Amino acid sequence: QQQVKQSPQSLIVQKGGISIINCAYENTAFDYFPWYQQFPGKGPALLIAIRPDVSEKKEGRFTISFNKSAKQFSLHIMDSQPGDSATYFCAASRNNNDMRFGAGTRLTVKP
Amino acid sequence: DGGITQSPKYLFRKEGQNVTLSCEQNLNHDAMYWYRQDPGQGLRLIYYSQIVNDFQKGDIAEGYSVSREKKESFPLTVTSAQKNPTAFYLCASSNLAEMNTGELFFGEGSRLTVL
Repeated sequence: QQQVKQSPQSLIVQKGGISIINCAYENTAFDYFPWYQQFPGKGPALLIAIRPDVSEKKEGRFTISFNKSAKQFSLHIMDSQPGDSATYFCAASRNNNDMRFGAGTRLTVKP
Repeated sequence: DGGITQSPKYLFRKEGQNVTLSCEQNLNHDAMYWYRQDPGQGLRLIYYSQIVNDFQKGDIAEGYSVSREKKESFPLTVTSAQKNPTAFYLCASSNLAEMNTGELFFGEGSRLTVL
């Protein structure tokens, strides 16, 4: 059962544009929502994360928007760069042993 | 340089053979995890361990086995009972004191192909 649904599967954005990836979760017990970035042939690495007591978190060009009532959260990448081309995974967790990952979004930023 | 080392990076095996993937960490983390990654399916938890000599099944443990004899090591054996073993396998660790932060530290993965 997929407890975290992620869309789109793939995304192509022009350099300088905004990339938006969306996730929806089912389990209201989740209380930590990280985003991981994975480059080809590498393991994922934590990019940014949010807790449900805030609606937005920004780190540089990366912003998470969180809508608790809708059980949705999204990643926005401003001024997207070719170096941002990677696969992005959203996740939801109550503790690390119960972390559920989305299916991933392959982002391509064209120069 | 602290991190997680997985080996081998690529592995080929014939049907019916067991194969063991190595995972070593020098981050002094208590918890270690094995995930399987398939295209379009995200990461699925196979096994995890919070302390030495103890481990728990994840969502897709069938056909896999693990051991945790040392804090820094958590090898995964893919047995012949695993029906579809071709996948990318990721080992991860986390600090138990930060269990609810969501920060998993991943290795670079092992790609297993069954011929």
